[in-house]
Amino acid sequence: SAVISQKPSRDICQRGTSLTIQCQVDSQVTMMFWYRQQPGQSLTLIATANQGSEATYESGFVIDKFPISRPNLTFSTLTVSNMSPEDSSIYLCSVEVSLGIETQYFGPGTRLLVL
Amino acid sequence: QKEVEQNSGPLSVPEGAIASLNCTYSDRGSQSFFWYRQYSGKSPELIMSIYSNGDKEDGRFTAQLNKASQYVSLLIRDSQPSDSATYLCAVGAGTSYGKLTFGQGTILTVHP
Repeated sequence: SAVISQKPSRDICQRGTSLTIQCQVDSQVTMMFWYRQQPGQSLTLIATANQGSEATYESGFVIDKFPISRPNLTFSTLTVSNMSPEDSSIYLCSVEVSLGIETQYFGPGTRLLVL
Repeated sequence: QKEVEQNSGPLSVPEGAIASLNCTYSDRGSQSFFWYRQYSGKSPELIMSIYSNGDKEDGRFTAQLNKASQYVSLLIRDSQPSDSATYLCAVGAGTSYGKLTFGQGTILTVHP
């Protein structure tokens, strides 16, 4: 597996502001992903963070709202821009590790509350 | 639209019983299947992965896959109160490298 950390672990933000979430993994990985988990819901993939190229966004998510950086094989950031209360969620990064079958492991998550 | 469906529960079983969690998926091209456990306030934790038809056992957990029926299940033997959590079924898309689609999750409660 992999050891994954996220910063911040939680935050309370005012509407209209932006928050950048960091994800660090202890080994080089090709694939990193960002998910959102709204209260009482399952996980929804926001985007795949590709090293050296732009992120690939899922339907319903756009780069202007969720810009992503992937400067190297151990680090990625997700920014939640111009926040509204509807952005209150847990944001999770995951990494893909090949153990005979490509498997995703999740970071501890960032709990975001937008007032 | 590619979907993964689970009974949301809650599923309640007595301690020591077998808990059976089920999941169906719509994409016939799916190649990999995962069960994650998520405790309240925590991130998902991988329990089992399977990609071949049949059973795969790991301790008290058995994953079962039937690609013809597009069905995957998780059995938990000798259930313990510490198994009480939400169990998420995730399916790896056959055509989208690395992408997982998650079901809504089944809430399992194991009562003493």
